[in-house]
Amino acid sequence: DIQMTQSPSTLSASVGDRVTITCRASQNINSWLAWYQQKPGKAPNLLIYKASSLESGVPSRFSGSGSGTEFTLTISSLQPDDFATYYCQQYNSYPWTFGQGTKVEIK
Amino acid sequence: QVQLQESGPGLVKPSETLSLTCSVSGYSISSGYQWGWIRQPPGKGLEWIGIIYHSGSTYYNPSLKSRVTISIDTSKNQFSLKLSSVTAADTAVYYCARDGSGRPMAYWGQGALVTVSS
Repeated sequence: DIQMTQSPSTLSASVGDRVTITCRASQNINSWLAWYQQKPGKAPNLLIYKASSLESGVPSRFSGSGSGTEFTLTISSLQPDDFATYYCQQYNSYPWTFGQGTKVEIK
Repeated sequence: QVQLQESGPGLVKPSETLSLTCSVSGYSISSGYQWGWIRQPPGKGLEWIGIIYHSGSTYYNPSLKSRVTISIDTSKNQFSLKLSSVTAADTAVYYCARDGSGRPMAYWGQGALVTVSS
């Protein structure tokens, strides 16, 4: 199985901050990486697919980059609605696997 | 717009079989795409359980493979999850989901909490 490792596990930030979350794959996954946002009690919501493609309806302050084994999710200016947990997920090969999550908290 | 809704017992006894159904509206399940199950234990991260193609081909997480069956019922526009020999470690919110033209798990159900307890 491909292991996905996110860092940091928790991030404290303020509204307006630029936030970066990193996801590393244990082997090459090309660009087959997605990012999800999850709020308490809700299903995850797809933000980014194929490493850098923005899902329809997702604000442009979210962006993704990377390929191979190292990937980044960036929120250019953190908004109150963005405090949530973020997961990366590889879909290069089965079984699809998720990172352990990064919780973005209010500083 | 495709919509998914999980249903099934919220309480299952240890050693029994967990059964959940995902009802799909707004799209014919036989027309295409991949239909999957993901779970999330309380306070923990996401675990991919497996996926079924509209053709019936399946792929399961090896960690659960011996206990999991995902099937599709095109007549009811539903797909189902069965997990046998459950223990307390299988207590989780179970989500069904569908991909969307190269976008993995673009559509999700709201989730169903299943508790394994005697």
